[in-house]
Amino acid sequence: EIVLTQSPTTTAASPGEKVTITCLASSSVSNMYWYQQKSGASPKLLIYSTSSLASGVPDRFSGSGSGTSYSLTINTMEAEDAATYYCQQWSSNPLTFGSGTKLEIK
Amino acid sequence: QVTLKESGPGMLQPSKTLSLTCSFSGFSLSTSGMVVSWIRQPSGKSLEWLAAIDWDGDKYYNPSLKSRLTVSKDTSNTQVFLKITSVDIADTATYYCARATEGFDYWGQGVMVTVSS
Repeated sequence: EIVLTQSPTTTAASPGEKVTITCLASSSVSNMYWYQQKSGASPKLLIYSTSSLASGVPDRFSGSGSGTSYSLTINTMEAEDAATYYCQQWSSNPLTFGSGTKLEIK
Repeated sequence: QVTLKESGPGMLQPSKTLSLTCSFSGFSLSTSGMVVSWIRQPSGKSLEWLAAIDWDGDKYYNPSLKSRLTVSKDTSNTQVFLKITSVDIADTATYYCARATEGFDYWGQGVMVTVSS
């Protein structure tokens, strides 16, 4: 099973600040997916195929990476971005998710 | 408009079989490339993928739970089902179904299931 380790576990950012969340895979994966989950809600797809923006997602979100190291960047933090973020791979079975990064607004 | 909605018993006793239904609209599971998955999330914890079924009827399971899981779909391709046998307290979670094309692009609202005696 490919384990996805996210860092940081928790972080806080001020409005306008740049935020980067990292996802390290225990083995190489071909693509990474990123989700945003707000309290009490279902996850929402942000990024697919490592760097493609899902429909309706603001372009302040971006994804990059390859092999075992991937990242999600929020270019300018907004209050509505406060949430927990998860990475996900399906390069090998089972599909796995990261442990999550909780992002708070300062 | 794509929507998915999960339904289930809410609460059940240990050792019983959990039966979940995902009812969806706005797409057909018979469309090539379409996949519906089940994913669960214990309160305050991360997401765990359980199983998936694709447009061709092929089934995929998390190896760690495979012996207890059965995923299926109805002939009209508007519902997907998940059965989990021999549940215990560790199966208490919110269960989601989600459509997968490029990533899980649509999710249901989730159904909370509590296993308790």
